[in-house]
Amino acid sequence: NAGVTQTPKFRVLKTGQSMTLLCAQDMNHEYMYWYRQDPGMGLRLIHYSVGEGTTAKGEVPDGYNVSRLKKQNFLLGLESAAPSQTSVYFCASSRRSEKLFFGSGTQLSVL
Amino acid sequence: GENVEQHPSTLSVQEGDSAVIKCTYSDSASNYFPWYKQELGKGPQLIIDIRSNVGEKKDQRIAVTLNKTAKHFSLHITETQPEDSAVYFCAAPHPSGYALNFGKGTSLLVTP
Repeated sequence: NAGVTQTPKFRVLKTGQSMTLLCAQDMNHEYMYWYRQDPGMGLRLIHYSVGEGTTAKGEVPDGYNVSRLKKQNFLLGLESAAPSQTSVYFCASSRRSEKLFFGSGTQLSVL
Repeated sequence: GENVEQHPSTLSVQEGDSAVIKCTYSDSASNYFPWYKQELGKGPQLIIDIRSNVGEKKDQRIAVTLNKTAKHFSLHITETQPEDSAVYFCAAPHPSGYALNFGKGTSLLVTP
């Protein structure tokens, strides 16, 4: 039972490049989330999904897009990466809006 | 969104002492308050949570207390051990009701 798996674990991008972060969960959870973690800022909600085919904006959605085409997967896209998007990205899932299970994170650097 | 303030940002205690981390929230309708522990290089993990219909919950050396009137809740760790060293986050319900908003975290260091 893998729980929540994030790929890749590390990535370096140049400004303006695009990429997609993949999150997969095997717990049959309805809800999935993307957070970013920056020093001194805690965990900030980017986007979330309450079920297959649904997405909603969190507190810091600008510059990101998401898709939930399959219940077990939640993709986070950066269309044109900026240095301000250098961060550690965490995906999480939950059965409801409580007891979130987090992945191990993706460390992204944008140069 | 729900404003969750967490203090202190760093805390250093000696092994065996107690540690207390406090959080305040702004939405009086909030009814669920979890605490997460994040070890170095890992994602946060839920360690204890409390609902608004109780004032205290304990799990071995960890306890959470809730004061609804003052809108604050606290994490208490007794008999601290070096393996308790980590970053701790409090959280409260996101205004949508579908997510959590987190505090900025407390870096706890337990020295032998």
